[in-house]
Amino acid sequence: DQQVKQNSPSLSVQEGRISILNCDYTNSMFDYFLWYKKYPAEGPTFLISISSIKDKNEDGRFTVFLNKSAKHLSLHIVPSQPGDSAVYFCAALSEQGTYKYIFGTGTRLKVLA
Amino acid sequence: KAGVTQTPRYLIKTRGQQVTLSCSPISGHRSVSWYQQTPGQGLQFLFEYFSETQRNKGNFPGRFSGRQFSNSRSEMNVSTLELGDSALYLCASSLGTDAYEQYFGPGTRLTVT
Repeated sequence: DQQVKQNSPSLSVQEGRISILNCDYTNSMFDYFLWYKKYPAEGPTFLISISSIKDKNEDGRFTVFLNKSAKHLSLHIVPSQPGDSAVYFCAALSEQGTYKYIFGTGTRLKVLA
Repeated sequence: KAGVTQTPRYLIKTRGQQVTLSCSPISGHRSVSWYQQTPGQGLQFLFEYFSETQRNKGNFPGRFSGRQFSNSRSEMNVSTLELGDSALYLCASSLGTDAYEQYFGPGTRLTVT
């Protein structure tokens, strides 16, 4: 049973426009969420995180929104740049106080110049 | 500060053999987690070590084992390799307390023939 789902395997966006990557989860006990970016032949790179006590967190061009009632989070990238082209993974912390993460299957973002 | 390093980067083994992968975390990080990445499956959590103790475990068979040394370096062992074990194995380090962000190494690509 996939507890963290990224239903869009791929997304193409024009340079300068907004990229919105979505993630749904099923376990209401998740209380911390993270987004990672992965380039080919490299490990994932931490991007941004959000605690369940917040509904928004911003860091430069990246904003994560959390809708607990819908069990949905999204990553907004504004403006999108060609260097943002990568696979994006969302992850949820399985149990409070542990380091057991559940990852989604990833969304491949392609930013077109 | 040096990042997470993993050795070897690439490995080819035959069914039935065993393999040991190594991970050196970021200096000062006490937690090391291991993940298996296969196409379409995202990152599957294997286990997490903190101060030489296994603190969390995923749903993998006992053929997968690990350990952590006093300098926080970690090894992962897979015995009796199967074709389905072919994957990218990633390790991630973190402080292990108070901060949930993990930092990944580049991974070890294991191919079982």
